[in-house]
Amino acid sequence: DAGVTQSPTHLIKTRGQQVTLRCSPKSGHDTVSWYQQALGQGPQFIFQYYEEEERQRGNFPDRFSGHQFPNYSSELNVNALLLGDSALYLCASSLDLADYYNEQFFGPGTRLTVL
Amino acid sequence: DAKTTQPPSMDCAEGRAANLPCNHSTISGNEYVYWYRQIHSQGPQYIIHGLKNNETNEMASLIITEDRKSSTLILPHATLRDTAVYYCIVRVVTGAGSYQLTFGKGTKLSVIP
Repeated sequence: DAGVTQSPTHLIKTRGQQVTLRCSPKSGHDTVSWYQQALGQGPQFIFQYYEEEERQRGNFPDRFSGHQFPNYSSELNVNALLLGDSALYLCASSLDLADYYNEQFFGPGTRLTVL
Repeated sequence: DAKTTQPPSMDCAEGRAANLPCNHSTISGNEYVYWYRQIHSQGPQYIIHGLKNNETNEMASLIITEDRKSSTLILPHATLRDTAVYYCIVRVVTGAGSYQLTFGKGTKLSVIP
């Protein structure tokens, strides 16, 4: 059973460019969350997608947007890149269950470097 | 969600028990304590969680104080592969599928040969 997969592994962009990161959730999961992890910090929640809609959003500007497809995979888009957007971007998948045991499973992340 | 306080770093000898503390003095009645760890260059990995009773699984034990204001994650026999950043998180389990995890800086555990 494949876990959460993300692509690409690494990415280098320049300021002002746009980037798209991709995530395939764990088999059977229908909910995808995205987190940004700056160097030396814990992950910070960006947003969560369920049923192809953004359901929750953290404190991130509108330059950060996303999409979820009918097969539950997801994309994270960042426009007008800033140097401060350099980070590890993590995708986590889960089941939309009203359940104590509903865990988020994380992918390995995409390392984005903005020059 | 309630905030947590963890020591920034700890060392543990290989084969010994690693005891990682977490303070969550403002925890409310419907908040659970979760532990994740992040090995270098990987995504966070779920370890264990609990409400008020002690919990044990194949990876670790979680001891929560009676007043629920602090907890300890115990790795009974630490190995070099347990070297990682350990995050203590408290979150509300509302009965809805939607939730976000709020990570702090965690504790960097170094297991020493």
